[in-house]
Amino acid sequence: DTAVSQTPKYLVTQMGNDKSIKCEQNLGHDTMYWYKQDSKKFLKIMFSYNNKELIINETVPNRFSPKSPDKAHLNLHINSLELGDSAVYFCASSLPGQIYEQYFGPGTRLTVT
Amino acid sequence: GENVEQHPSTLSVQEGDSAVIKCTYSDSASNYFPWYKQELGKGPQLIIDIRSNVGEKKDQRIAVTLNKTAKHFSLHITETQPEDSAVYFCAASTMGTGNQFYFGTGTSLTVIP
Repeated sequence: DTAVSQTPKYLVTQMGNDKSIKCEQNLGHDTMYWYKQDSKKFLKIMFSYNNKELIINETVPNRFSPKSPDKAHLNLHINSLELGDSAVYFCASSLPGQIYEQYFGPGTRLTVT
Repeated sequence: GENVEQHPSTLSVQEGDSAVIKCTYSDSASNYFPWYKQELGKGPQLIIDIRSNVGEKKDQRIAVTLNKTAKHFSLHITETQPEDSAVYFCAASTMGTGNQFYFGTGTSLTVIP
């Protein structure tokens, strides 16, 4: 059974387009995250939602907009894609509250041409 | 905010030897330190973690040590096997920050058969 799933796995698109990445978790977690991993493998938090409410919003361009229709889903919509957006995007989830293990999805490799 | 540094960035060892990866952190309020393993094309997966009230934790061939005074923690892998080859990330988290993880820059470990 897949714990944290993302679609699509690969996404190739042109500059200026708008695209979405979907994330779903079946772990019953209340908290979900989006991370960006650049070409040097650096993992950086972008957003965190707890029970559909935004709780972490790092310095991310407002072209990136997370949407959480319910606590099992956290989608990432990106407007006006730029070359620098090319990266691997990971969704993760965890139990709510203080400090718990985060479970990561398999990642979505976004390539902007 | 928290700053996590990780060394070395690459590490090659002979099968059967030990591997050590070191991380330092800057925020003395950090109190949770997970280690993640990322295999090629996959999302990071937790392999071991330690909380600030513990100095050492071991799980079979993997151990983590924490020195709160010096603000550093280390991952030790003994009797390395080819399947240990992956990128390893340390992270630090502080209670009250919404379970926000600050990741190190990663160590690419290669175990030579």
